[in-house]
Amino acid sequence: EVVMTQSPATLSVSPGESVTLSCRASQSVATLLAWYQRQPGQAPRLLIYGRSTRATGIPARFSGSGSGTEFTLTINSLQSEDFAVYYCQQYNNWPLTFGGGTKVEI
Amino acid sequence: QVHLVESGGGVVQPGEFLRLSCVASGFTFSSYGMHWVRQAPGKGLDWVAFIRDNGNAKYYADSVKGRFTISRDNSKNTLYLQMNSLRADDTAVYYCVTTDSTSWGLFDHWGQGILVTVSS
Repeated sequence: EVVMTQSPATLSVSPGESVTLSCRASQSVATLLAWYQRQPGQAPRLLIYGRSTRATGIPARFSGSGSGTEFTLTINSLQSEDFAVYYCQQYNNWPLTFGGGTKVEI
Repeated sequence: QVHLVESGGGVVQPGEFLRLSCVASGFTFSSYGMHWVRQAPGKGLDWVAFIRDNGNAKYYADSVKGRFTISRDNSKNTLYLQMNSLRADDTAVYYCVTTDSTSWGLFDHWGQGILVTVSS
């Protein structure tokens, strides 16, 4: 199976700052990489799919890039509601696999 | 409005079985693939199984293959997960999830989750 590794595990930032989260795949997943946001007490929400396409209703401050085995999620000008856990997920191969998550905290 | 309600969780001993159900409403259930995803206490998200809209394709995580069976009854708008030979590391909150309209491999709407505890 494709092992997804996210770094760092935790990011401490201030509102208004920008952050970059990393996700590495153990083998190429082409561009079939998604990012999800999970806020406390809520279900995960799809943010980005196809490496860089924002899902419906996702603000432009979220952007994704990368290909093959290295991917990044950038969040510009962090808002209070952006403090959450972010997961990457590959859907190029079965079984589908998630990274371990990056917690973005104040 | 999409609504997914899981049931059937509980506390069981290692080696026992459970069957989870998920009743769907607010969308055309028979047109969407469905997933089960779980989250163990203090851990991240872990995909468990997928079934396509008509039930003719199923995929499983390596950790559950041969022990878990995903199925659906489109006449009842219900998704199932039969879990046999349960182990302590199957302890988790299990979520019923719809696929995204663009790909079987993406997750869109999630249920509230149901807790499964495997403990002696």
